[in-house]
Parts: sequence; C-alpha cells; structure tokens
Amino acid sequence: GQQVMQIPQYQHVQEGEDFTTYCNSSTTLSNIQWYKQRPGGHPVFLIQLVKSGEVKKQKRLTFQFGEAKKNSSLHITATQTTDVGTYFCAGPRSGAGSYQLTFGKGTKLSVIP
Amino acid sequence: DTAVSQTPKYLVTQMGNDKSIKCEQNLGHDTMYWYKQDSKKFLKIMFSYNNKELIINETVPNRFSPKSPDKAHLNLHINSLELGDSAVYFCASSRGGEQFFGPGTRLTVL
Repeated sequence: GQQVMQIPQYQHVQEGEDFTTYCNSSTTLSNIQWYKQRPGGHPVFLIQLVKSGEVKKQKRLTFQFGEAKKNSSLHITATQTTDVGTYFCAGPRSGAGSYQLTFGKGTKLSVIP
Repeated sequence: DTAVSQTPKYLVTQMGNDKSIKCEQNLGHDTMYWYKQDSKKFLKIMFSYNNKELIINETVPNRFSPKSPDKAHLNLHINSLELGDSAVYFCASSRGGEQFFGPGTRLTVL
C-alpha cells in the first residue's frame, strides 16, 4: 500500500540553527500538505503544494515539492522556540478519492534556547 | 467561534464499556474525518464521511462506528473498549483541501 515516509523522526537544534524535514511517498502525489502540531495541541494546516518543483515560503519556512511529485521538504531558517512541535507531511490516500490523507510519521522538533 | 469542536476532551473508562465522542464543525464543510493518534504520535485516518459516502480504513475494527446525524456532526461510537484503544482521537473537516482539526479527545481505557 501507499507509504509516506518522513525523516528524521526527531531533531534537536540550538535556537538560531536551521532545520529540515524530508518527506517521501511511494507513489506520485497530486499534492502534498504540511501540518504543525504543537505539544498538547492538534495538527494545524501550514501549506499545500501542487505543482512539480514548486517552492513556497512563509516567513522563515520554505516548502518544496519535488520534480517527480514524490518528495517534499520543509526547511526552517534560524529556528525559534516557537517552532517547537511535530511537523507532518500528508498526501492524498491512494484509492480514496481526494478526501483522505496519508500522514507521514512526523518529525518532532525541539529547540534549545 | 470554534471551527471544529469535540466532546469530551478527556475520557477515562473501563475495558469492555461502550463510549461515544461527539464532533461538530461550523465551517459548512462537506467532509468529516476521524483520526487516531497513538502514543508515538502516529496520525492514522480511521474514517471519512461526506454525507453519502463513508470510507473506512481497512485496519479499523468494526467495534468503531461513525454516526452522522447531519452534515455538521460526525460522532464516533466505540463498542467493547480495549486497552489498545487508548489514544487521542481527532475529528477533522474539509472541503477537499486543507483539513481543520478539532482539539482532540484523550481516551484512556483501564
């Protein structure tokens, strides 16, 4: 079945350092979404990428969608303590129309002040 | 106003009991979902429902059943609770794109 793999599972960085999480799908995706879940909170939508090779920025966050639309990355420049949380990528689940998502296992980011 | 709300926030119960979790969305979305997040934070889709079509993830035991009284509500009923059902359950809704999650219900089965 479809798999969405995310690495690393954990990342500890010093405040001010950069952070990157990578997402790989076993199948070609029509789009990919990214979510952030703060400790004790719920997943919150960050962005959706649709086009091959697409790059989008949100302040210090840069999102990329691979040319083959099977991989994606999220890069945070100069991390801050407010970036702490788990970052999930998600792609449409095969055979379930556009309604269901398959989530990666997430990357938990810790920022040391 | 809360876009997606769930009740209760915490649920502690004995093995073998039957329980329900309620979910309501005021976003006018057509599709609602239930997710299970285990202790390792893995987020797994359980169901999606868009008025006429129910899609059930094949790994969900039939002890779990979604019930939708109307478009704005998708409740989760669980029969014969087991220890392994302990997790955080999230409701979500969407119009086909981004999903809006509720605050979650932490279920503990003793």
